[in-house]
Formats: sequence, C-alpha cells, structure tokens
Amino acid sequence: TQLLEQSPQFLSIQEGENLTVYCNSSSVFSSLQWYRQEPGEGPVLLVTVVTGGEVKKLKRLTFQFGDARKDSSLHITAAQPGDTGLYLCAGDGGATNKLIFGTGTLLAVQP
Amino acid sequence: DAGVTQSPTHLIKTRGQQVTLRCSPKSGHDTVSWYQQALGQGPQFIFQYYEEEERQRGNFPDRFSGHQFPNYSSELNVNALLLGDSALYLCASSSKGLLFGGIYNEQFFGPGTRLTVL
Repeated sequence: TQLLEQSPQFLSIQEGENLTVYCNSSSVFSSLQWYRQEPGEGPVLLVTVVTGGEVKKLKRLTFQFGDARKDSSLHITAAQPGDTGLYLCAGDGGATNKLIFGTGTLLAVQP
Repeated sequence: DAGVTQSPTHLIKTRGQQVTLRCSPKSGHDTVSWYQQALGQGPQFIFQYYEEEERQRGNFPDRFSGHQFPNYSSELNVNALLLGDSALYLCASSSKGLLFGGIYNEQFFGPGTRLTVL
C-alpha cells in the first residue's frame, strides 16, 4: 500500500517567516503534485514534479522532488496571510492513474 | 472554459437513506475520479471512471457505486448512509489520452459536495 506522510501536521507562523513542508513515502511515484485547499473548496493544483531531483519555483514557493522520487518538499519564503490553507501532496503511481494523497499540512499565517 | 462542476453544494441526509452526487468534468477531459475527504484529512480515492466503466477502485464498500455518461459526466451513489459517510466528496477530472501519450497525469478538482448524515 502506498502511503504519503506529511510533516508538520499543523503550522502557525507570523507573516514574513519562512517554512518548509515535507512529504515522505517508502514508495516511488512517477510524479508528485502539490495542492492548496481552502475551507469549503476543492484542492487547487500548484505544481507537478516529475523528474528525480527536480526543483520548480512558483513565486515565493519552491518545490523539490527527491532524487529517488519517494519524497518532496515545499518551501515558502516570506509567508503571507494569503498562503493560509491546507497543503496536500499527492503521488501518482503511474499505471493506476489515481492519486494517493498525503495527510495534509494545515498552515496559518498570522498578520 | 468551465472547470469541474459539482452538484449539489451541500446535502443533508439521515442514516439509511441514499444519495446521488453529480460531476461534470473540465472541457476536454474524459476521466472522472471521486474522492472522499473527512474533515482535516487528505482526500481518499473512491473510484475512477473512463469510457463509462469503473477502472480503478479504492478501499470503499459496495454501498458506493458510480456511473459515467457518454458526455463524460459522472454520478456517485451511496446507499444505506452511515454517520461516518459525512464528508466532502470531491470529483476530479483528467485526460486518459494525455496519460497514454506519456504526459504525467494531472487532475483538476471541483469545489466538492458537503454531505452531512444525521
């Protein structure tokens, strides 16, 4: 069974601080996606990483896929209150075309 | 270009009842996946429909069933509702054609249906 563990589970920080969210598994994924979800809404895709060691940047967000394609990280620089939400990583096993979601990281950025 | 749409937005049912949730995929997408998300947790895969057939299924009982129509829209049916079925039900669409073409799978989610079972 493929599982994705995210850490930390909860994070409350002040505006302007930096943070990193981790997504770890013992399984290999063909790709890994990061989503942000706000209360009462569906997850919104932020980025997809495909190649081991790949780094992608989206404004103040930096995503990295582990060399072995088993783990990923999301780093946010100078967090803003608008970054508040539930961050989810999701692994794609490839042939199954279904996503295995992580446990989620709930981020609150205080002004 | 309309994204993924779901109806209804909210639904309240009592134990033992049956419910039907609906989803229209993003334009150009032919694959629909359904997920259940309990409060504060990540979504759990229920099943996936492609070419009007269930192709993949997660660890959910037979009380959960679905259907896909020729226009790619989909329904999720849950029979004999239990209190534990209360959750946000999410529909995600993707393109199987893209997957077979070697492009990684990207799924786009609708806003969800909040189901409360009393």
